Amino acid sequence: DAMVIQNPRYQVTQFGKPVTLSCSQTLNHNVMYWYQQKSSQAPKLLFHYYDKDFNNEADTPDNFQSRRPNTSFCFLDIRSPGLGDAAMYLCATSTDPDQPQHFGDGTRLSIL
Amino acid sequence: AQSVTQLGSHVSVSEGALVLLRCNYSSSVPPYLFWYVQYPNQGLQLLLKYTTGATLVKGINGFEAEFKKSETSFHLTKPSAHMSDAAEYFCAVSDRNKLVFGAGTILRVKS
Repeated sequence: DAMVIQNPRYQVTQFGKPVTLSCSQTLNHNVMYWYQQKSSQAPKLLFHYYDKDFNNEADTPDNFQSRRPNTSFCFLDIRSPGLGDAAMYLCATSTDPDQPQHFGDGTRLSIL
Repeated sequence: AQSVTQLGSHVSVSEGALVLLRCNYSSSVPPYLFWYVQYPNQGLQLLLKYTTGATLVKGINGFEAEFKKSETSFHLTKPSAHMSDAAEYFCAVSDRNKLVFGAGTILRVKS
């Protein structure tokens, strides 16, 4: 089935050690999003790609970067994770920014 | 900017009872509105959406929502709650090419 797949589901890293989360999609959607969701909170948009155009949210820390090498894949890089970056990270896709988004099951990131 | 307010961070209903989850939005333009459900340790799943046309929107799992422009509301309902409906529900509005989510409502279903 067409899906949004996030790997790994659980990721543990050390304080300050770079970490990369991955997302792939078989939906061939133009738009890919990365959200951060902390416990008992709504998802917070970090950035999105519309095709190759990168759109960063104004309040996304510089510590967070993203890459989209092709339509199917998108990566979230956290250069120097702090304890406050422990969260669920959700990837989503859509055909167009105004259309419904399809979410992956997320990667839960823990920082030691 | 658009915003969404979900009244009640927690709602508890008995199995078989009516489910009503409230959502109010602010928007300067006709909004696109969405309800998503999130089960523990999973991503968000679209329940239903309103873009244009019929104001009563039917979604998956027996849920529906009614867009009321005069009340700026998009409340989610289900006539009869099932244990499997226990989850967190997010209302969202489309704003300048991104979704703005409400804070979420956790639905508890009592047997």
